[in-house]
Amino acid sequence: DSGVTQTPKHLITATGQRVTLRCSPRSGDLSVYWYQQSLDQGLQFLIQYYNGEERAKGNILERFSAQQFPDLHSELNLSSLELGDSALYFCASTDRANGYTFGSGTRLTVV
Amino acid sequence: AQSVTQLGSHVSVSEGALVLLRCNYSSSVPPYLFWYVQYPNQGLQLLLKYTSAATLVKGINGFEAEFKKSETSFHLTKPSAHMSDAAEYFCAVGFSGGYNKLIFGAGTRLAVHP
Repeated sequence: DSGVTQTPKHLITATGQRVTLRCSPRSGDLSVYWYQQSLDQGLQFLIQYYNGEERAKGNILERFSAQQFPDLHSELNLSSLELGDSALYFCASTDRANGYTFGSGTRLTVV
Repeated sequence: AQSVTQLGSHVSVSEGALVLLRCNYSSSVPPYLFWYVQYPNQGLQLLLKYTSAATLVKGINGFEAEFKKSETSFHLTKPSAHMSDAAEYFCAVGFSGGYNKLIFGAGTRLAVHP
C-alpha cells in the first residue's frame, strides 16, 4: 500500500456519460497530481493541485475538471465521455522526504 | 522544454543476463530523473531517482542508474536479470526538486526468458 488511495479501481461507462474519480493523498501531502495512461498517448500529466489551489495544468481536456477539497482529497471529473477517454488514471502525491508516490490507478473503460 | 526518450520499446534478456534500459533526456534546467516500474495491472513504483547528488544512483531490487550530463543519459542497469523483473519501465524527468509535474518516456517492456 503506497498510502495514496484511488477509487474506484475499475469503472465501465457509456459514451456521453460523466464519471468522478477520487484520490486521497498520502497523509500530510499537500500536492495531488493526476496523470492519464493510454496506449496511444502514454503517461500524460493532466493537472496538479496544491493545498486546494490549482498549481499546474497539462494536457487536460476541457471536458475534464478537477478539484482538491479542504481535507486534501481530490476528484477528477470526466464528462461527455468518448471511447478515446478509456485509460488508466493515476493520482500521485509528493513530500520532501519521499518524492512522488503513485496510487494504483482507476481503469476507465468507455463503451 | 523537457522531454524523455526511451530507446527500445521492448527489450528481451535471458535470466541472469545484464539488463540495460536506455533513457535520454532533454532539459533546459538541471533535471531530476526517475525510473519507475509498472507490473501488470498495478501502479507505478519508484525504482530510483537522481536529485543532483551522486551521479551513480542505486535503487531497489538491484537496479542502478548513472547520470551522464555530457551524454544527457540516465540508463538503467541490473547485473543479473531475474524472472520477476519482467515489467514495464518508465524513465521520467522533473524539475524544481522533482515536486512538479513529471514528463515520462514512452516506456520499455522488459521480458525475461529462462
